Amino acid sequence: DAGITQSPRYKITETGRQVTLMCHQTWSHSYMFWYRQDLGHGLRLIYYSAAADITDKGEVPDGYVVSRSKTENFPLTLESATRSQTSVYFCASRAGGIAGGYTFGSGTRLTVV
Amino acid sequence: GNSVTQMEGPVTLSEEAFLTINCTYTATGYPSLFWYVQYPGEGLQLLLKATKADDKGSNKGFEATYRKETTSFHLEKGSVQVSDSAVYFCALSDGSSNTGKLIFGQGTTLQVKP
Repeated sequence: DAGITQSPRYKITETGRQVTLMCHQTWSHSYMFWYRQDLGHGLRLIYYSAAADITDKGEVPDGYVVSRSKTENFPLTLESATRSQTSVYFCASRAGGIAGGYTFGSGTRLTVV
Repeated sequence: GNSVTQMEGPVTLSEEAFLTINCTYTATGYPSLFWYVQYPGEGLQLLLKATKADDKGSNKGFEATYRKETTSFHLEKGSVQVSDSAVYFCALSDGSSNTGKLIFGQGTTLQVKP
């Protein structure tokens, strides 16, 4: 199916464990983004990527690592999960130029216990 | 830095009532402005956008006008339905950067009662 898919949809992990959230898009969009959504904060940008092998930090990058070896995939890794990283994570890609809107995935709800 | 401020929710309305959700922004350059909607358990969907001053974005009965003089992009709908119950996010895209990163407001929850 065409679109942007995130996996898993739900994840529970323990403090200190490494966890990777997957994001895959089928359009070959250059730009991809990871946001976290928390009550009272809206969506905050974690990392973004302009193309394969080009990534940069967003507003809240600490504790996260990204990679982008292929245009269609943009995984987000929590190196050592903490309770403060309990959140809903959204991946997005951008169609067209700067004025184009983003397309979002359905999100991953991560709980760190 | 760039930022977006939305009116705090939740907003509770009866069906067919008029809706306004206020959004103001601070930005350098000439940002594009967006409204996104998030239905329960789903990701965000683009509702409408405006790319320059005085532009009006519209979709599904919702409208918003890009007001540079008041740095605002208020969302309006003349007659809301129960199906409009969702969280609404105002956002801007920094026009001075090729990245076009979106900066979001905190979101406003709308609940429409029959």
